[in-house]
Amino acid sequence: GAVVSQHPSRVICKSGTSVKIECRSLDFQATTMFWYRQFPKQSLMLMATSNEGSKATYEQGVEKDKFLINHASLTLSTLTVTSAHPEDSSFYICSARTRWGRTEQFFGPGTRLTVL
Amino acid sequence: GENVEQHPSTLSVQEGDSAVIKCTYSDSASNYFPWYKQELGKRPQLIIDIRSNVGEKKDQRIAVTLNKTAKHFSLHITETQPEDSAVYFCAASIGAGGTSYGKLTFGQGTILTVHP
Repeated sequence: GAVVSQHPSRVICKSGTSVKIECRSLDFQATTMFWYRQFPKQSLMLMATSNEGSKATYEQGVEKDKFLINHASLTLSTLTVTSAHPEDSSFYICSARTRWGRTEQFFGPGTRLTVL
Repeated sequence: GENVEQHPSTLSVQEGDSAVIKCTYSDSASNYFPWYKQELGKRPQLIIDIRSNVGEKKDQRIAVTLNKTAKHFSLHITETQPEDSAVYFCAASIGAGGTSYGKLTFGQGTILTVHP
């Protein structure tokens, strides 16, 4: 149980285009999902916290107009990288928490974004 | 906000030796401390976690200790095997309530290499 999927696993796009990444909890309802970014040989950095039915909370330094997050249902959150540039190339990972009172997060397999 | 420091950044051991990775955290409100193993291009995998009401936890070859007073926690791997080679991350989660609930702050990571 507690499986999280991400789609796509890899995406290559041209500079200036937008890319949407989906994060799904397959066998549980996720009241909260988190989006992380990981550059090569670095740690995971939290970008934003996404709660179902409400606006996402962004970490300091993360542009909310560039990284659009929508948590439309208890099993789906999406991250859209708008007007992507080469410096946005990274490994994007989502995680989901099952319900209040359970601290453990379950991670998706990640999406490798390459912006040319 | 929370700040997690992890040492060492790289650790090389011989098969069968023990490995110890240490982390310190800054926010006394943190009460959940997971450890993750991440292989290249893969999602972080939870290997062990500890909560602030416990000082030590063990699972076969892996153990974690927590010193709340000093705000540090450590991962101990005994009888290391080549398949233990990976990047290990510690993390801390701020206590319940408010927008910070469940947010994970990661350490910088430790590249563990176990030589046969």
